[in-house]
Amino acid sequence: EVQLVESGGGLVKPGGSLRLSCAASGFTFSSYSMNWVRQAPGKGLEWVSSISSSSSYIYYADSVKGRFTISRDNAKNSLYLQMNSLRAEDTAVYYCARGVTILTGYSFDYWGQGTLVTVSS
Amino acid sequence: DIQMTQSPSSLSASVGDRVTITCRASQSISSYLNWYQQKPGKAPKLLIYAASSLQSGVPSRFSGSGSGTDFTLTISSLQPEDFATYYCQQSYSTLHTFGQGTKLEIK
Repeated sequence: EVQLVESGGGLVKPGGSLRLSCAASGFTFSSYSMNWVRQAPGKGLEWVSSISSSSSYIYYADSVKGRFTISRDNAKNSLYLQMNSLRAEDTAVYYCARGVTILTGYSFDYWGQGTLVTVSS
Repeated sequence: DIQMTQSPSSLSASVGDRVTITCRASQSISSYLNWYQQKPGKAPKLLIYAASSLQSGVPSRFSGSGSGTDFTLTISSLQPEDFATYYCQQSYSTLHTFGQGTKLEIK
């Protein structure tokens, strides 16, 4: 069974940093690209970042570029998101999601339960 | 960036109704379009990928269609468990974007 378990969320002051982790199991982690998607309270989904299976390709939403860094450790079956210079508008539940390419396009076929990040003084 | 616009933003319907949700892209995205369902307090669930392909385990009352800029998600006969928020998402660009969501409520 595919499982994705996020951790590392919490309360942080504006300008602070936080590192999220996502532990993967039930599939060959090193064969899949991975993603972070966030959802502000009461709002819609926002894609944050993607990383390819070997970390060769990395993409960020404009809203986080230069502040967030995605990475992975295939030996540990883990995905990370280093978040620096946090702002109030980064407050959200952060989901990790597995990426899969089938037919045309790319979709997020498995999601974790999410971890809440609150940026407030 | 490619903008995705869903309509309506909310919708009231009854069990057994046929419901259609529309998603429009700001430029052509071929068939690079996915649909997700999200229930309160839960992670999103993939329903439809590549515009019209049903994800494994998803009931056949869900269907998707469209290409280019205009897409639809149809639920042929609403069931109580279908009341949720639905999102479209484009994967034509590596900067993936979601629609704003359509909340489907019980009438």
